[in-house]
Amino acid sequence: QKEVEQNSGPLSVPEGAIASLNCTYSDRGSQSFFWYRQYSGKSPELIMFIYSNGDKEDGRFTAQLNKASQYVSLLIRDSQPSDSATYLCAVKRNRDDKIIFGKGTRLHILP
Amino acid sequence: DAMVIQNPRYQVTQFGKPVTLSCSQTLNHNVMYWYQQKSSQAPKLLFHYYDKDFNNEADTPDNFQSRRPNTSFCFLDIRSPGLGDAAMYLCATSNSGLYGYTFGSGTRLTVV
Repeated sequence: QKEVEQNSGPLSVPEGAIASLNCTYSDRGSQSFFWYRQYSGKSPELIMFIYSNGDKEDGRFTAQLNKASQYVSLLIRDSQPSDSATYLCAVKRNRDDKIIFGKGTRLHILP
Repeated sequence: DAMVIQNPRYQVTQFGKPVTLSCSQTLNHNVMYWYQQKSSQAPKLLFHYYDKDFNNEADTPDNFQSRRPNTSFCFLDIRSPGLGDAAMYLCATSNSGLYGYTFGSGTRLTVV
């Protein structure tokens, strides 16, 4: 089992709709979770982090964490064409504090 | 603005010819990381410095070395680049791992 798993996509969502991106992780002791956005040919950009179970909202973005299910998600409301990118889920591993990345989900917002 | 700067943005090197990539930061973060990212793959941690302490990942090839002469700068040396080393190399910094990492713009390495 990979440490951080994401569906590679592409996920196609109409403009204005909600995009839902999902991630599972294997280290039950992990405490910190991150979502990065990466445009093609560019470096990752941190958009959200979450430490506690439940929802965390920042503008159009909501991160959701369920530690019991080892599941973290990112919702993007009112999706815009500029949201088209690869979204990387990252988990801070408990045993050594290293951040491990998933392969990312490619999101395509349809105009 | 405080930031992480990588030079150069694009590097072309010959097969087997040593190459050095550089990273500097003005964030005063104590941890610096080097990641390798190939197309459609997750960033893969090569090594990191916690202050002056060097930490190598077990599966990082010996061909890859790193130097951190001071808090602000970190270098990635590839002693004999092979075609398989063509990738985006990402430098990242953090303040003891809190709040995730801040990435530089990356260096795209091409090996010919």
